[in-house]
Amino acid sequence: QKEVEQNSGPLSVPEGAIASLNCTYSDRGSQSFFWYRQYSGKSPELIMSIYSNGDKEDGRFTAQLNKASQYVSLLIRDSQPSDSATYLCAAGVSGGYNKLIFGAGTRLAVHP
Amino acid sequence: GAVVSQHPSWVICKSGTSVKIECRSLDFQATTMFWYRQFPKQSLMLMATSNEGSKATYEQGVEKDKFLINHASLTLSTLTVTSAHPEDSSFYICSARTGAAKEKLFFGSGTQLSVL
Repeated sequence: QKEVEQNSGPLSVPEGAIASLNCTYSDRGSQSFFWYRQYSGKSPELIMSIYSNGDKEDGRFTAQLNKASQYVSLLIRDSQPSDSATYLCAAGVSGGYNKLIFGAGTRLAVHP
Repeated sequence: GAVVSQHPSWVICKSGTSVKIECRSLDFQATTMFWYRQFPKQSLMLMATSNEGSKATYEQGVEKDKFLINHASLTLSTLTVTSAHPEDSSFYICSARTGAAKEKLFFGSGTQLSVL
């Protein structure tokens, strides 16, 4: 059973701080990884994608991938109250014709 | 990013009735669409992969006769929940991939189904 694990949270950080979200995956063959943000009652919104080991930065967001450790993380710098949402980690299924497996999500709360 | 339109946003129906949910790709052609279901505070669970012009591929444990999927064109896929029961109440979300975007998925706005 291919799985993606996330701490459900809530992760509470003060406004302006760095929020660090973590994810592990079981499928060693996964080659693509994504972070989605989901507000309550809404559908997920793609924030970051990462395919290679190392860091990828986009604005206030940095995704980190370590395939040897099967670990993906998302850093949010200068956290804002509007960043408060559930963050879903997803991994592409190897040989899965573009299917993604999602983690249960980490709820982030940024307080003023 | 690519736009995926999903209708209706919410629906309330009586037990035993059928409900159809539409998913359209507005500015691109989607040969493959995916249907997910999400229960409160849980992750998205893939139900089936919808391929234009062919039968859908269902995930283990998903009843294909209960969740009918039709992908008749490159821009439209439909999910019909037949003989809905209260346990089918959930948030249903479709998604599609553009050919140029590797494995990035773009999601519809979701449909909240409540079966009384």
